[in-house]
Amino acid sequence: DTGVSQNPRHKITKRGQNVTFRCDPISEHNRLYWYRQTLGQGPEFLTYFQNEAQLEKSRLLSDRFSAERPKGSFSTLEIQRTEQGDSAMYLCASSSPTGTQGTDTQYFGPGTRLTVL
Amino acid sequence: RKEVEQDPGPFNVPEGATVAFNCTYSNSASQSFFWYRQDCRKEPKLLMSVYSSGNEDGRFTAQLNRASQYISLLIRDSKLSDSATYLCVVNRNTGKLIFGQGTTLQVKP
Repeated sequence: DTGVSQNPRHKITKRGQNVTFRCDPISEHNRLYWYRQTLGQGPEFLTYFQNEAQLEKSRLLSDRFSAERPKGSFSTLEIQRTEQGDSAMYLCASSSPTGTQGTDTQYFGPGTRLTVL
Repeated sequence: RKEVEQDPGPFNVPEGATVAFNCTYSNSASQSFFWYRQDCRKEPKLLMSVYSSGNEDGRFTAQLNRASQYISLLIRDSKLSDSATYLCVVNRNTGKLIFGQGTTLQVKP
């Protein structure tokens, strides 16, 4: 399967614990995005990388959240001191530039479903 | 007010019906427009891009009205397999996608 992969698919944790998610984009896609989706809502943008550079971060990304893409390939999203409000589906997407940033198609991974007890 | 607004539905229609979804966006700087489909507990998948001239892909037709900041999706001859959530999406050419809440479609036999 050459699509976007995410691990783990499900994570249950207790409030206050740290969690880390991994995203492997489609090979040679240089753009990688993280989104968060809660029940009944559309995905919300969190952050975006072009190669290893983090180019934009949403206000949703509090100090407890950090994302990295150290070698411009896979990315990790860490949440420290998790809160119940962090429970959501965390989606990763990747794209390859076809021109302007607005026109390339973003392909989504299956997501990591986080439940904070 | 959300930047992209959609009627969440649900829309319950019989097989073979024609159904239309509408979406409005508030930021006139929006440059690219899409409809994504999301099945229950699955990831969003691109259904089609939306152009000012309108575009059609089989039973699906998308329209964009920049003056009214309005996007539509028409599904003809609905199939059971069309049951899903349809997400209206805009992009201001900054890279990030801005999603609406989604409209749920349930096609009944």
